[in-house]
Amino acid sequence: DIQMTQSPSSLPASVGDRVTITCRASESIANYLNWYQQKPGQAPKLLIYAASSLQSGVPSRFSGSGFGTDFTLTISSLQPEDFANYYCQQSHTAPHFGQGTRLEIK
Amino acid sequence: QVQLVESGGGVVQPGRSLRLSCAASGVTFTNYGFHWVRQAPGKGLEWVALTSYDGGNEYYANSVKGRFTISRDNSKNTLYLQMNSLRAEDTALYYCVKEGVYYESDAPHDVFDVWGRGTMVTVSS
Repeated sequence: DIQMTQSPSSLPASVGDRVTITCRASESIANYLNWYQQKPGQAPKLLIYAASSLQSGVPSRFSGSGFGTDFTLTISSLQPEDFANYYCQQSHTAPHFGQGTRLEIK
Repeated sequence: QVQLVESGGGVVQPGRSLRLSCAASGVTFTNYGFHWVRQAPGKGLEWVALTSYDGGNEYYANSVKGRFTISRDNSKNTLYLQMNSLRAEDTALYYCVKEGVYYESDAPHDVFDVWGRGTMVTVSS
């Protein structure tokens, strides 16, 4: 199985900050990497697919990059509604999620 | 719009069985694969199982292989998860998720694009 490792597990930040979350695959997955946002009490929501393609309706402050084993999710200017949990997920083989990053208010 | 509604969760003793259901609406059910994804309390997401659009193929996480069975009834637009030999570590919120196929540079990418609200399963004596 391909394992996904996210970092950091927790990220304190302030409104307006630029933040980056990293996801590393245990072997190459090309660009078969998706990002999800989950708010408390809600189901996850797809943000980015194919490493860098923005899902329809997702604000442009979200962006993704990477190929192979190393990927990043960047939020260019944090808004209050962005404080949530974020998960990467590889779709190259049997789906596997990273352990998640909690983006919290500093 | 697409709506997925899970049911069947509850409290069950270790070693017993439970069957979850997921009713789909607003979607041509037979066109898509469907997954179960679970989330233990306060923990991250774990993919559990996938059934192909026609039920002809099934895939499972190693943690549930041989104990859980995913199935679908395309005449009822309903997805199922039969869970046998339940363990405490199976305690989680179980989400029904529609598979989407999104294209980037003509290459298909599988995503989890529509989620239900989940049904809670608690395995405890």
